[in-house]
Amino acid sequence: DVKVTQSSRYLVKRTGEKVFLECVQDMDHENMFWYRQDPGLGLRLIYFSYDVKMKEKGDIPEGYSVSREKKERFSLILESASTNQTSMYLCASLRGGRSGEQFFGPGTRLTVL
Amino acid sequence: GQNIDQPTEMTATEGAIVQINCTYQTSGFNGLFWYQQHAGEAPTFLSYNVLDGLEEKGRFSSFLSRSKGYSYLLLKELQMKDSASYLCAVKDQAGTALIFGKGTTLSVSS
Repeated sequence: DVKVTQSSRYLVKRTGEKVFLECVQDMDHENMFWYRQDPGLGLRLIYFSYDVKMKEKGDIPEGYSVSREKKERFSLILESASTNQTSMYLCASLRGGRSGEQFFGPGTRLTVL
Repeated sequence: GQNIDQPTEMTATEGAIVQINCTYQTSGFNGLFWYQQHAGEAPTFLSYNVLDGLEEKGRFSSFLSRSKGYSYLLLKELQMKDSASYLCAVKDQAGTALIFGKGTTLSVSS
């Protein structure tokens, strides 16, 4: 089974802290994604990566950065956390082929106080 | 711009059939996906359509009309466990990222 894991299910941080969210997939997928999900707004793409050391901005990259040093790991970084970054963060990994189905991790619920 | 519309909420009873509609306007099209998401959990893949027509998979079917920018997810013989959010997503031709609608919350009652 494809497995996408995220480092934490729940995280509480203070305004101004630097926050790292880690995502690891075990299926050798080239493409990885970070989304945030908020009530009434749905899933919004923050950043994605189609290869090691490559990254592309999504719809809402402001306040975030990413790192992809190894194929299996994609990190989301909040340089200086703010309360409006309180959200559910979902990582996904893409399988190639016909369906192009994205596999999601369990999510990290981040609260910034 | 990119826009994907689906109803916010729907209700149905056990054993019934429900159809969740999705309309989209995107700059490119490389397939349409439906995901199911239970509260507090990650989305899980249900179906994929890239050509016009109906794709059937057990109790779930998905339909696509590219000329109309329209899809629906059909759920038959509803069960309580089908209570969840259903997300419509389009694969933009420009890349591999999916564009998601805001989701439809389905409540199934007995």
